[in-house]
Amino acid sequence: GAVVSQHPSWVICKSGTSVKIECRSLDFQATTMFWYRQFPKQSLMLMATSNEGSKATYEQGVEKDKFLINHASLTLSTLTVTSAHPEDSSFYICSPRDPTSNEQYFGPGTRLTVT
Amino acid sequence: GENVEQHPSTLSVQEGDSAVIKCTYSDSASNYFPWYKQELGKRPQLIIDIRSNVGEKKDQRIAVTLNKTAKHFSLHITETQPEDSAVYFCAAKTGGGADGLTFGKGTHLIIQP
Repeated sequence: GAVVSQHPSWVICKSGTSVKIECRSLDFQATTMFWYRQFPKQSLMLMATSNEGSKATYEQGVEKDKFLINHASLTLSTLTVTSAHPEDSSFYICSPRDPTSNEQYFGPGTRLTVT
Repeated sequence: GENVEQHPSTLSVQEGDSAVIKCTYSDSASNYFPWYKQELGKRPQLIIDIRSNVGEKKDQRIAVTLNKTAKHFSLHITETQPEDSAVYFCAAKTGGGADGLTFGKGTHLIIQP
C-alpha cells in the first residue's frame, strides 16, 4: 500500500497553546486530503476535506478557525489545533486520496493530549 | 450526507468459530464499501472492500457481502484466530472521490481461546 507519514506521532501540550500536525504522502500526489478525529473507543469522524491549493471544507460542528488546515502542496498537508483545550485531546488521522486509483490511505495518526 | 450503522458493538466468539458484523448505509449513491481492522493506537488497516457492481468478495478467511437493494453489507470471518481480536469498522463512500469515507461506530471483536 501507499506510504503516508504523520508527525508527530504523539504530543502533549498545555491548554491554550497551538499544535501543528504534518501529514505527508510519500509515493503519490494527494490532490485531496481528509482529516479525521477519533476519540477513545469511538469511530473515526471526518473533520474536514482539503484540496490542494484551495480552502478546506469543514464538517458541521468543526470550527474552521480552531482547526487550521493547509494543503499547500500535493505531498504535504498540515492541521494546526489552535488554543488547544483538554477536550481537543484525541487521535488525529490524516487520509490522503490517490487520484490515480481513487484509493484513500491513512496516516499512522497523532495522539494529542492537552493538559 | 451518508450515515452508516454498524452492529454489534461488541462480539465475542470462540476461537475457530465464525464472526459476522453487519452494516447498513443510507445514501444510495454510495458505491464503495471497505472494511478496516484497527488495533489500539494504530491506523485503520484495510482488510477487504467491495464495490457496488459485485455482490460478494472473498479473501481467504474473510468475505464481504453486499445487498444494494437493502443497503446493507456484512463482514464474515471464518475459523477465527486470537490475532483477529481488534476493532473492525465498516465504511461507505461514493465513487467520485470528493467525499471522504463515512465510518460505522465499530465492532470490538473478541476471540476467546
